[in-house]
Amino acid sequence: ETAVFQTPNYHVTQVGNEVSFNCKQTLGHDTMYWYKQDSKKLLKIMFSYNNKQLIVNETVPRRFSPQSSDKAHLNLRIKSVEPEDSAVYLCASSKWAGGPNTEVFFGKGTRLTVV
Amino acid sequence: GEQVEQLPSILRVQEGSSASINCSYEDSASNYFPWYKQEPGENPKLIIDIRSNMERKQIQELIVLLDKKAKRFSLHITDTQPGDSAMYFCAASPSSGSWQLIFGSGTQLTVMP
Repeated sequence: ETAVFQTPNYHVTQVGNEVSFNCKQTLGHDTMYWYKQDSKKLLKIMFSYNNKQLIVNETVPRRFSPQSSDKAHLNLRIKSVEPEDSAVYLCASSKWAGGPNTEVFFGKGTRLTVV
Repeated sequence: GEQVEQLPSILRVQEGSSASINCSYEDSASNYFPWYKQEPGENPKLIIDIRSNMERKQIQELIVLLDKKAKRFSLHITDTQPGDSAMYFCAASPSSGSWQLIFGSGTQLTVMP
């Protein structure tokens, strides 16, 4: 049963465009994440967000930015997409505010294709 | 930072046999080791986890072992079924103060009838 909801499921866009993906969790969790899953299925953390504290993976390009209105929502914006941004973006959440030492629940992902 | 190595990347077994996936980590202070199963087109789902105060945990046909000295942990699926076919990921949570779950590169398991 999904409790982390992502929209859209798929998005195709051209190089240079801006895109935004939405994520909402109904679990009452304190921490939310964005992961990128590439064509080889590798899962890489991009951002963690808790109590308005953002932690960024330093390898993430600056054109990516998370946006949160409250602890149940964490959106992802990509300014000026590039071909290597084609991937599945997975939103996730976990309960503990101290870090992911409890179960992390994933959404079903948004598949981005940059043409 | 923490790195997690996972092997093998591809695993094919006969139905009813056991499947084993091995992972190693670098940060000796890592204290939480979950395993996720991802079926095609689906989100990764937690199947079993182990914390650093344990060496072994079993849930039905799933067994995880943790060797802290060697910084290795493993998943063993006994009596595999076709429904066990999926992508499996190990992960490690580094020492406190870090927010990241670091994932292994995944193992594509196929259980052949």
